[in-house]
Amino acid sequence: DAGITQSPRYKITETGRQVTLMCHQTWSHSYMFWYRQDLGHGLRLIYYSAAADITDKGEVPDGYVVSRSKTENFPLTLESATRSQTSVYFCASSELPRGRIQPQHFGDGTRLSIL
Amino acid sequence: AQTVTQSQPEMSVQEAETVTLSCTYDTSENNYYLFWYKQPPSRQMILVIRQEAYKQQNATENRFSVNFQKAAKSFSLKISDSQLGDTAMYFCAFMKPPDNNRKLIWGLGTSLAVNP
Repeated sequence: DAGITQSPRYKITETGRQVTLMCHQTWSHSYMFWYRQDLGHGLRLIYYSAAADITDKGEVPDGYVVSRSKTENFPLTLESATRSQTSVYFCASSELPRGRIQPQHFGDGTRLSIL
Repeated sequence: AQTVTQSQPEMSVQEAETVTLSCTYDTSENNYYLFWYKQPPSRQMILVIRQEAYKQQNATENRFSVNFQKAAKSFSLKISDSQLGDTAMYFCAFMKPPDNNRKLIWGLGTSLAVNP
């Protein structure tokens, strides 16, 4: 089915470990985004990408790395996980505007717990 | 910098009644875009409604409508004939005029409970 999928849905890991969250979309949307959602902070943008091989920092990029070698994939890597990175992570995508602004479409999220 | 404020952390409404969620924002831009997203307990983020600032007419989507007051920088969401499935967190979001980043600025959300 077409859409945006995130994997895994749940992940538990330990501090210092590297962990990668996957995001795949089948719409060929140009824009992709990574957010984290925490109580009291709402949604905060980590990184975004306007196209393949183009990425840029959002509001809270420290400790995260992204890549976009293909339009449909936008993985997020925590190089050395810390407890403060325990959160729910959302991937989103949007297409170029065609006469009107296009909304962002979200995946189902990944709940990441770092012990 | 733009900010989005949702002043009601929690609200409740009886099934079949009408409820209004408030959202205010701060910007010096004249053209921008506003959205309401819904996040049910399943955690999925779902677009409810969107509004272009250059349009004076308020957007509507079935039981959902907005009251967009540009001068007051207010963008409230009205849910008519509330249903149990409307129970969710509701987020208001703002986007600057189209540029290369398409970044959304989010409010902290309002938790809505629809009671039977």
